[in-house]
Amino acid sequence: TQLLEQSPQFLSIQEGENLTVYCNSSSVFSSLQWYRQEPGEGPVLLVTVVTGGEVKKLKRLTFQFGDARKDSSLHITAAQPGDTGLYLCAGEETGGFKTIFGAGTRLFVKA
Amino acid sequence: DTGVSQDPRHKITKRGQNVTFRCDPISEHNRLYWYRQTLGQGPEFLTYFQNEAQLEKSRLLSDRFSAERPKGSFSTLEIQRTEQGDSAMYLCASSRWGGEAKNIQYFGAGTRLSVL
Repeated sequence: TQLLEQSPQFLSIQEGENLTVYCNSSSVFSSLQWYRQEPGEGPVLLVTVVTGGEVKKLKRLTFQFGDARKDSSLHITAAQPGDTGLYLCAGEETGGFKTIFGAGTRLFVKA
Repeated sequence: DTGVSQDPRHKITKRGQNVTFRCDPISEHNRLYWYRQTLGQGPEFLTYFQNEAQLEKSRLLSDRFSAERPKGSFSTLEIQRTEQGDSAMYLCASSRWGGEAKNIQYFGAGTRLSVL
């Protein structure tokens, strides 16, 4: 069974700080998704990365897929209180059978 | 495209009762997934359908749990003889699989179950 480990599990920072969240596995994924989830709601898709080494930007968020497609990172520049939430990475097993979720990084941005 | 819809959003029940949740996927999505999520954890896979066929069930899905997708559109998840340990958020997701599609899953808002 493929596993996805996210770190850190919890992050509390001041508004304006930068942060990076990591998602690691020993297995190769055909694609990887990042989601953001707010309390009481379902995960909302932020981005999908498919190609090894791929970098995608979404305003202040930068996503990178590792060259070997085993790991990914999410970097947030100048965090804002509205970025508060649970960030989940999810890797699609090769063959497109199942998606594996990490346990998430809970981010709290203080004003 | 109205997104994935789940009903009800919240369900409170007494231990031993049966509950049923419904999920309406994004139209034309051929895959539908059910997950369970407890506080502080990521979603745990329960089962998925491709069209009307249930192709995989997790070991988490005990005999008290059953899911159906009779016409390949909406799906129901039933829990019989609920236990307090069943209290969780139940999430549904759908995706389009096959051809050029990347099988990206889109989630509903979830049904929060509380078993008293």
